[in-house]
Amino acid sequence: QQQVKQSPQSLIVQKGGIPIINCAYENTAFDYFPWYQQFPGKGPALLIAIRPDVSEKKEGRFTISFNKSAKQFSLHIMDSQPGDSATYFCAASKRGSNASKIIFGSGTRLSIQP
Amino acid sequence: NAGVTQTPKFRILKIGQSMTLQCTQDMNHNYMYWYRQDPGMGLKLIYYSVGAGITDKGEVPNGYNVSRSTTEDFPLRLELAAPSQTSVYFCASSYRGLGAVTDTQYFGPGTRLTVL
Repeated sequence: QQQVKQSPQSLIVQKGGIPIINCAYENTAFDYFPWYQQFPGKGPALLIAIRPDVSEKKEGRFTISFNKSAKQFSLHIMDSQPGDSATYFCAASKRGSNASKIIFGSGTRLSIQP
Repeated sequence: NAGVTQTPKFRILKIGQSMTLQCTQDMNHNYMYWYRQDPGMGLKLIYYSVGAGITDKGEVPNGYNVSRSTTEDFPLRLELAAPSQTSVYFCASSYRGLGAVTDTQYFGPGTRLTVL
């Protein structure tokens, strides 16, 4: 019930393409779904996040699509660039819980080829 | 603001040795966390703290201890290091004011630990 399953494990896309990373969760109590971007040798950094009361959120070239009934959400990167090459983690949490815990997916290593 | 800082960046330990990973944040955040990141496994919560003097276990606390004597510092102690503790360790912090809509965690740069 606490798992967040992420796929694919790795992804190679040509520059300008639209990589899509998918995540699925089980616990319907989750109500906050962030995506983190991690460059080699650095800590993860919040990229974009969505709450389940909306089906889509865009910030620049990054879009989250959310399907509450299927308990799935995905990250799309428009007009991808080599600088987007990084590992991406989805996550899920229940806001308002005492622990403020976040459950992370296993990560997707994205490579954008020039 | 320096954000979340961690020391050391790298460390090699022998089996049975002990060490403390340091974490400091200058954002006056109440919540602090320790995660470990194993290849292909995402991040696992080790311990967390909701304020000075208050700590609690996460998913994988065995073999670790923490303390939180100040708001700024949250050291992680490894006692009797084992090869299974070889990992990258990340410290993070977040602020949870009343009515906070999101719970953004800010991560440090990590400590790469190898136990041989």
